[in-house]
Amino acid sequence: GAGVSQTPSNKVTEKGKYVELRCDPISGHTALYWYRQSLGQGPEFLIYFQGTGAADDSGLPNDRFFAVRPEGSVSTLKIQRTERGDSAVYLCASSLLAGVGEQFFGPGTRLTVL
Amino acid sequence: KQEVTQIPAALSVPEGENLVLNCSFTDSAIYNLQWFRQDPGKGLTSLLLIQSSQREQTSGRLNASLDKSSGRSTLYIAASQPGDSATYLCAVLLGSQGGSEKLVFGKGTKLTVNP
Repeated sequence: GAGVSQTPSNKVTEKGKYVELRCDPISGHTALYWYRQSLGQGPEFLIYFQGTGAADDSGLPNDRFFAVRPEGSVSTLKIQRTERGDSAVYLCASSLLAGVGEQFFGPGTRLTVL
Repeated sequence: KQEVTQIPAALSVPEGENLVLNCSFTDSAIYNLQWFRQDPGKGLTSLLLIQSSQREQTSGRLNASLDKSSGRSTLYIAASQPGDSATYLCAVLLGSQGGSEKLVFGKGTKLTVNP
């Protein structure tokens, strides 16, 4: 498809486990963003990539969270030692032009930590 | 710190009514403003994007305005339909000299259009 895709759509894990969430941006989009949405709230920024580099990771809650985008396309959000408070919907977005471009969102990954 | 507020939190209207959703933000130094629609359990669908230099944008029955100096935006929906029922989110794009940028979202307005 032509849109942003995210896998898996749902992930259930146990407290303390490691998880990886994947994002495939729209082809040709150089800017990629991760957000996290808790129930009843708007999405909150986690990290922004311009190309391969993380231009801003100030939204990552702590050092258990890490994200990569090694070839400037697909990105993976990695969460170590998951906690129940990490349960949320993780949204990925991409944009053709940083700074003024419209952000297009994927369907999200719903993470549940038991 | 930029804060985005959306009023009302929920709105229920009969089919056919025209309605206005409100969004306010505390810092006028924004690059642009986007309105999104979110259906239950789904991702965000972009509805309208207004650049900081623009005053309004229109798409079909939707019209969004931006008054950057007063920190306000409105989303006008004409002749509402049951299919318009969803949560509507407003977000402003912030940047910095370091090259960072991010959307800051409001909590949304949950709209229900009754047949």
